[in-house]
Amino acid sequence: DQQVKQNSPSLSVQEGRISILNCDYTNSMFDYFLWYKKYPAEGPTFLISISSIKDKNEDGRFTVFLNKSAKHLSLHIVPSQPGDSAVYFCAAKRARAGGTSYGKLTFGQGTILTVHP
Amino acid sequence: GAGVSQSPSNKVTEKGKDVELRCDPISGHTALYWYRQSLGQGLEFLIYFQGNSAPDKSGLPSDRFSAERTGGSVSTLTIQRTQQEDSAVYLCASSPTGGYYEKLFFGSGTQLSVL
Repeated sequence: DQQVKQNSPSLSVQEGRISILNCDYTNSMFDYFLWYKKYPAEGPTFLISISSIKDKNEDGRFTVFLNKSAKHLSLHIVPSQPGDSAVYFCAAKRARAGGTSYGKLTFGQGTILTVHP
Repeated sequence: GAGVSQSPSNKVTEKGKDVELRCDPISGHTALYWYRQSLGQGLEFLIYFQGNSAPDKSGLPSDRFSAERTGGSVSTLTIQRTQQEDSAVYLCASSPTGGYYEKLFFGSGTQLSVL
């Protein structure tokens, strides 16, 4: 039961162009969404997040868009740089309900982004 | 160090043996999490500790898995009678208070290989 899905295992982009990473979710109880970036042999690092009360959040070159009706979010990186090459994970959190703790993030499978110089 | 520290970084073991994985969270962080990433999969939640509250163990895949956190700091994840399907990267994370909107700080993980 994959509640968070990243259907593109990989994405290749030219330096300077836009990278768009997509994520779909099935659980309508999710109300907070995050993107993490992971380099090889390192732990994931937080990139950007968005609450379900918003449809867009921007931080420098990174923008996350949320379409609640479609249960879809996307991460835009503009302009893309070679140093952005990494695995990007989408993650979701649901409000505490039925004993669910705040601790659980549900992650997608990740998308490998390669930015070519 | 300033980050989350995990040891060992790599562990190779034989099927049926027990293993212990250690996590040192960021000093002062009260919330501690264990996740694992199997090959080609996303991160899978295992267990969550928050202060003195009872841990959320809902993600532990079987009773061979257990974890403890001593003195509200260091945590140990123990896998008994390891199986080949336990092979994965085990990631520990911490956050300051476990607040809903807090970001998690991850360690570099322990790569576990069960032969």
